[in-house]
Amino acid sequence: GAVVSQHPSWVICKSGTSVKIECRSLDFQATTMFWYRQFPKQSLMLMATSNEGSKATYEQGVEKDKFLINHASLTLSTLTVTSAHPEDSSFYICSARLSGTGHYEQYFGPGTRLTVT
Amino acid sequence: RKEVEQDPGPFNVPEGATVAFNCTYSNSASQSFFWYRQDCRKEPKLLMSVYSSGNEDGRFTAQLNRASQYISLLIRDSKLSDSATYLCVVNRMIYNQGGKLIFGQGTELSVKP
Repeated sequence: GAVVSQHPSWVICKSGTSVKIECRSLDFQATTMFWYRQFPKQSLMLMATSNEGSKATYEQGVEKDKFLINHASLTLSTLTVTSAHPEDSSFYICSARLSGTGHYEQYFGPGTRLTVT
Repeated sequence: RKEVEQDPGPFNVPEGATVAFNCTYSNSASQSFFWYRQDCRKEPKLLMSVYSSGNEDGRFTAQLNRASQYISLLIRDSKLSDSATYLCVVNRMIYNQGGKLIFGQGTELSVKP
């Protein structure tokens, strides 16, 4: 149980284009999903919290107009990197929180490796 | 000072060794605690939640000391497959939102034959 999928697993795009990443909880419903970014040799940095049916909450320093998040259903959240630049190249990982356990653990998707040329 | 701090790595140990990881957190609003492992170029995977009474899962034992704001992970009889980065993670509670995970920088473990 608690499986999260992410698509695509890797993508190469040209500077200035937009890229959409999908995150799905496969065997449970997730009212809250999270988007992280990880640069080499660094830990995960939370970008935003995605709540089903409402606007995402962005962390300080993350541009909401550049990283568009949509959480239209209890099993799907999407992250769109708009007008991508080489500095946006990173490992993007989503997670979904399993509610009702009282411990707030999160289960992570396999990540999307984005390279902007 | 980082909100979650871990031992700097890497830890290089022989198979069969016992290895301990330490972690401290600074925000007393943290209410849930976890150890995740992350393999190279992969996503973090939940290893175990950490409970106040301490808990054990096979060769892995986790301890929590709320008074000292200290978390530990002990791995006994280490295997080659234990080689990974171990992430100390706390859930910082946010009123009415369930909170968000704060990650330590990770400690790299390399188990050698």
